[in-house]
Amino acid sequence: DTAVSQTPKYLVTQMGNDKSIKCEQNLGHDTMYWYKQDSKKFLKIMFSYNNKELIINETVPNRFSPKSPDKAHLNLHINSLELGDSAVYFCASSLRDRDHEQYFGPGTRLTVT
Amino acid sequence: DQQVKQNSPSLSVQEGRISILNCDYTNSMFDYFLWYKKYPAEGPTFLISISSIKDKNEDGRFTVFLNKSAKHLSLHIVPSQPGDSAVYFCAVYNTNAGKSTFGDGTTLTVKP
Repeated sequence: DTAVSQTPKYLVTQMGNDKSIKCEQNLGHDTMYWYKQDSKKFLKIMFSYNNKELIINETVPNRFSPKSPDKAHLNLHINSLELGDSAVYFCASSLRDRDHEQYFGPGTRLTVT
Repeated sequence: DQQVKQNSPSLSVQEGRISILNCDYTNSMFDYFLWYKKYPAEGPTFLISISSIKDKNEDGRFTVFLNKSAKHLSLHIVPSQPGDSAVYFCAVYNTNAGKSTFGDGTTLTVKP
């Protein structure tokens, strides 16, 4: 019974395409996040949403657009994909007042060719 | 600028011995300090945390130490087990900013 799930797990696509990654959490958490893990293995926050409202937008190119239809879902849409977008993207969630403890999904490995 | 550094990319330890993973951070604006464990092809898993008002937190085999004057965080695993082999990330959390900043990880290998 997966707590934070992401689809797809792997995504291979060509430059210029538009793609989406979906995330769902069944933990009843209030806050959801997207992180990017680059080739140097750093996990960097991209966005956070609290109860469907955008809280953090970390100077991510506006080709990246998060969408939260409800507090259990946070999807990431990427327009006009570039080679540099290749990375592993992790979704995470946390409970209000315990936002420092985050629960991560399994990741989506995006490869742009 | 890298606010959180894990200077050892890898660590190898014999089963049953102590594993000590280290992390340094660069400013004092953080409220919580955390360790996550990550297996290949999985997401990071929260392991243990400590608030900035404490200097030690223990949970079973895992103990986190915080030295605020040195801006240093460490994770002790005693005794180490082969199943502990994973990448360990330290992270710092700023409540006002509502975000975590991660180090780049240390790969721990526990040999049987």
